[in-house]
Amino acid sequence: QVVLTQPASLSASPGASASLTCTLRSGINVGTYRIYWYQQKPGSPPQYLLRYKSDSDKQQGSGVPSRFSGSKDASANAGILLISGLQSEDEADYYCMIWHSSAWVFGGGTKLTVL
Amino acid sequence: EVQLVESGGGLVQPGGSLRLSCAASAFTFSDHYMDWVRQAPGKGLEWVGRIRNKADSYTTEYAASVKGRFTISRDDSKNSLYLQMNSLKTEDTAVYYCVREGYGDYYMDVWGKGTTVTVSS
Repeated sequence: QVVLTQPASLSASPGASASLTCTLRSGINVGTYRIYWYQQKPGSPPQYLLRYKSDSDKQQGSGVPSRFSGSKDASANAGILLISGLQSEDEADYYCMIWHSSAWVFGGGTKLTVL
Repeated sequence: EVQLVESGGGLVQPGGSLRLSCAASAFTFSDHYMDWVRQAPGKGLEWVGRIRNKADSYTTEYAASVKGRFTISRDDSKNSLYLQMNSLKTEDTAVYYCVREGYGDYYMDVWGKGTTVTVSS
């Protein structure tokens, strides 16, 4: 059973905002997890963006612009990575991750296209 | 500059073995939990396993897909992390990344550039 589900792809225009979702499997409550987000560009290793559990438990990666932010949608049981003011350099694959049942678990990734 | 450099990748036949190494520099290696993460061609990220630090008894955890076949170890005196891979399968073909977890705040904060393992006859 897949633990974390991400849409395979998302397209958005330069200057717009993009909301990337990471939906937790039914029975796993998003409220109890820190959700970590990574960006990966072709030919490069992933880079840490941020983590979000709540407004009082969040962390921005070093050097990561503030236009990257995290949140949750409890009704959808999902974590959200919001990217505002999209730039062409934001085109990349984005992965969410949690620590669940003594293992790191990644979502399948979302390919963000900025066009 | 904090750096992780993997080595040891290559072509191996199904059923064979391979040992990957990761050389760490510019940080106190012994303080940190370390992980291996892999990425099959054109696919997403898959966690392979983790080794804790000495304070936490060097305990290890593994993904179900590799448990019993792969072993993670470390040598703090050499600032090195290892991944011993036995009974390799074609589905183990991937880029293998060495990854550091933050000290006291456990998440994957530094990644190596990866080494490629190809399992094929």
